[in-house]
Amino acid sequence: QQQVKQSPQSLIVQKGGISIINCAYENTAFDYFPWYQQFPGKGPALLIAIRPDVSEKKEGRFTISFNKSAKQFSLHIMDSQPGDSATYFCAARASGANNLFFGTGTRLTVIP
Amino acid sequence: EAGVVQSPRYKIIEKKQPVAFWCNPISGHNTLYWYRQNLGQGPELLIRYENEEAVDDSQLPKDRFSAERLKGVDSTLKIQPAELGDSAVYLCASSLRGRTGELFFGEGSRLTVL
Repeated sequence: QQQVKQSPQSLIVQKGGISIINCAYENTAFDYFPWYQQFPGKGPALLIAIRPDVSEKKEGRFTISFNKSAKQFSLHIMDSQPGDSATYFCAARASGANNLFFGTGTRLTVIP
Repeated sequence: EAGVVQSPRYKIIEKKQPVAFWCNPISGHNTLYWYRQNLGQGPELLIRYENEEAVDDSQLPKDRFSAERLKGVDSTLKIQPAELGDSAVYLCASSLRGRTGELFFGEGSRLTVL
């Protein structure tokens, strides 16, 4: 059973556009929601993370929007650049636990 | 500062053969993880170490997989015998104690079982 459901599976965006990736979860014990970015042949790297006590977190062109009541969170990449082309994974961790559950990933392609 | 180092980067073996992967975590990171990433999927935890103690190995297929972390630093993940379904990327990650959502991954070891 997938603990975190991610969509879309793939996404193509024009340079300068907004990329939006969505994730949903059921486990209300989750209290930490990071996003990881993975380039081909590399390991995932932490991009940005949010806790459920805030509805939005912004770091540069990357923003996480969090909807606690809907149990959904999303990553927005503003002014998308070809260098943002990568696979993005959402993840979640339960309070008191130490296992990070990853989504299935979204392959983002930003075309010039 | 050096990141998480893994070797080998690529390994091709025939089924029923053994294989081992090595990981050197970031200096000072007490927690070490082995994840498996199947093609087109997110990483899935196999085992987590706190120092030299395996504190979560519930997802490790213990009939053929084993791991060790001697002296609480480097770690080795072994598969014996390998099966076709073991083809995947094996990722090692480390984190500071208690920072279990902030993982630093290595580049992974890609295993192909023929």
